[in-house]
Amino acid sequence: GAGVSQSPRYKVAKRGQDVALRCDPISGHVSLFWYQQALGQGPEFLTYFQNEAQLDKSGLPSDRFFAERPEGSVSTLKIQRTQQEDSAVYLCASSPGGPGIPGELFFGEGSRLTVL
Amino acid sequence: RKEVEQDPGPFNVPEGATVAFNCTYSNSASQSFFWYRQDCRKEPKLLMSVYSSGNEDGRFTAQLNRASQYISLLIRDSKLSDSATYLCVVTQFNYGQNFVFGPGTRLSVLP
Repeated sequence: GAGVSQSPRYKVAKRGQDVALRCDPISGHVSLFWYQQALGQGPEFLTYFQNEAQLDKSGLPSDRFFAERPEGSVSTLKIQRTQQEDSAVYLCASSPGGPGIPGELFFGEGSRLTVL
Repeated sequence: RKEVEQDPGPFNVPEGATVAFNCTYSNSASQSFFWYRQDCRKEPKLLMSVYSSGNEDGRFTAQLNRASQYISLLIRDSKLSDSATYLCVVTQFNYGQNFVFGPGTRLSVLP
């Protein structure tokens, strides 16, 4: 399809396991964002890429969280040694705009992570 | 204090009612403003941008007050299908873009 695709849609992990969440943005979109959304809350910013460059990672909650977008398209969010507080929906969004161009964000359906 | 604040609601209104939501933001350097809609267990989707002069899209009207740092959304003649969470979004440019979301206001339109 032409939209943002995320996988897996659902992930159950035991505490301490590592997880990797994938985002396939809309082709040609320059900007890619990761957000964390807890139940009943708004999306919280994690990190932002412009092409392959990670320009802002100020929202990553700890050094257990790592994101990459090596070829400027697909991105992976990795969480090491998962904790129960990591349970949330992880949303990926892409936007055609580059710096200074606040284009519309197109979201994927999210990856729902549950840490037991 | 959160950068973007909203009344979480829920707002329960009958069909046909007019309902208004407000949102306040703390960063006076914020540059662009939006309302997103999020249905239950779905991803957020853009509802409308918010311009300084105010703008209207059918039953929806958005207003921005930069001096007071608040944004509003007015929904007229509300429909059952308007039931959703409405997210206020503010952009700030650091190295690139940073879209900051409010916690959302939940609306239930009742028959």
